[in-house]
Amino acid sequence: QQQVKQSPQSLIVQKGGISIINCAYENTAFDYFPWYQQFPGKGPALLIAIRPDVSEKKEGRFTISFNKSAKQFSLHIMDSQPGDSATYFCALFGNTGKLIFGQGTTLQVKP
Amino acid sequence: NAGVTQTPKFQVLKTGQSMTLQCAQDMNHEYMSWYRQDPGMGLRLIHYSVGAGITDQGEVPNGYNVSRSTTEDFPLRLLSAAPSQTSVYFCASSYSWGIQETQYFGPGTRLLVL
Repeated sequence: QQQVKQSPQSLIVQKGGISIINCAYENTAFDYFPWYQQFPGKGPALLIAIRPDVSEKKEGRFTISFNKSAKQFSLHIMDSQPGDSATYFCALFGNTGKLIFGQGTTLQVKP
Repeated sequence: NAGVTQTPKFQVLKTGQSMTLQCAQDMNHEYMSWYRQDPGMGLRLIHYSVGAGITDQGEVPNGYNVSRSTTEDFPLRLLSAAPSQTSVYFCASSYSWGIQETQYFGPGTRLLVL
């Protein structure tokens, strides 16, 4: 069963714009929500992560917004740059000890 | 540190052939895992290990075997390759099995089964 749904599947943004990727999950057994970034031909790498006791976490141009009651969290990339063009995965980690990934969003930032 | 290394980078198999995908890490990580990545499916956990001698199944274990005889190595074996196993395979490791542990991924092995 699909425990996390990620949208959109692909996203095109102009340089300097805001990129927003959303994830929704189905149950409350998760307590760590990382985002991974993957460049073509490379493995995913941790970008930023949040725990459910905070509603927002910011690191540079990257922000996670977390809505526990709605079971949703999103990644915002401010001032998007061509170097941000990559595939982004949200993920969930909970009491099973396993990391569950979203379907991925391919971001293209046009110069 | 080399981090997480995977070999080969690319492999073509015929249906029914067997092979082993190699994964090694030099960070003394206890937790290692294998994922497969397919378009529109994200990454799905195949098998994982919380330490040498201990392995367990993930979300999609059928057709794959693993063993963990050392902390450093975690090979993934395809017993009888099928076209449905065409995918990109990633090995990952983390210091321990905990919620705040970052998983470090290898560069991947691209497998094509004809």
